[in-house]
Amino acid sequence: EAEVAQSPRYKITEKSQAVAFWCDPISGHATLYWYRQILGQGPELLVQFQDESVVDDSQLPKDRFSAERLKGVDSTLKIQPAELGDSAMYLCASSLKGSEMVFGPGTRLTVL
Amino acid sequence: GDSVTQMEGPVTLSEEAFLTINCTYTATGYPSLFWYVQYPGEGLQLLLKATKADDKGSNKGFEATYRKETTSFHLEKGSVQVSDSAVYFCALSVGSSNTGKLIFGQGTTLQVKP
Repeated sequence: EAEVAQSPRYKITEKSQAVAFWCDPISGHATLYWYRQILGQGPELLVQFQDESVVDDSQLPKDRFSAERLKGVDSTLKIQPAELGDSAMYLCASSLKGSEMVFGPGTRLTVL
Repeated sequence: GDSVTQMEGPVTLSEEAFLTINCTYTATGYPSLFWYVQYPGEGLQLLLKATKADDKGSNKGFEATYRKETTSFHLEKGSVQVSDSAVYFCALSVGSSNTGKLIFGQGTTLQVKP
């Protein structure tokens, strides 16, 4: 069964450092999402791509977060500089038009 | 704006007990509704969905009915197992069909004891 791949699975960093997360969606899935899940809460959308274009980044803190999907396949989410409040699970998901989202296993970020 | 509210957890049940997790929503238009499950250390998995009023989604013994009149989508299972212990998220989809942005509730932790 096809899966969404994410790496790393776990990341510990110090505040003010830069971190990056990678996501490889299911082959052929044009839509890619990055969600942030703070402990004890539901996931919140950070950014949505359709192919290589951003279609929704209204909740992305653009002063420190950036996301790209240059060739419309895999994607990178970056935080610079990281803050204590960024500690969370970062989930990537992808979907084919008309089908449900498939989520990856997530990257758990701890900022010290 | 659109939102989802779930009952507070954790919910602790004995094996074979009946499960209900309440979910209500606020939305403009006619959203699709979903239940996702998250096992420890894993991502979210789609459990079931319903796309229009009075639809019943079902999977693995779980079911939920889309009630437009009460704006609810409560999750039920007749007999829970220890392996059902997880966090359950109710969600709605805005925008087009199933690939629109998902808005999640805060999640409800289910603990099933043998």
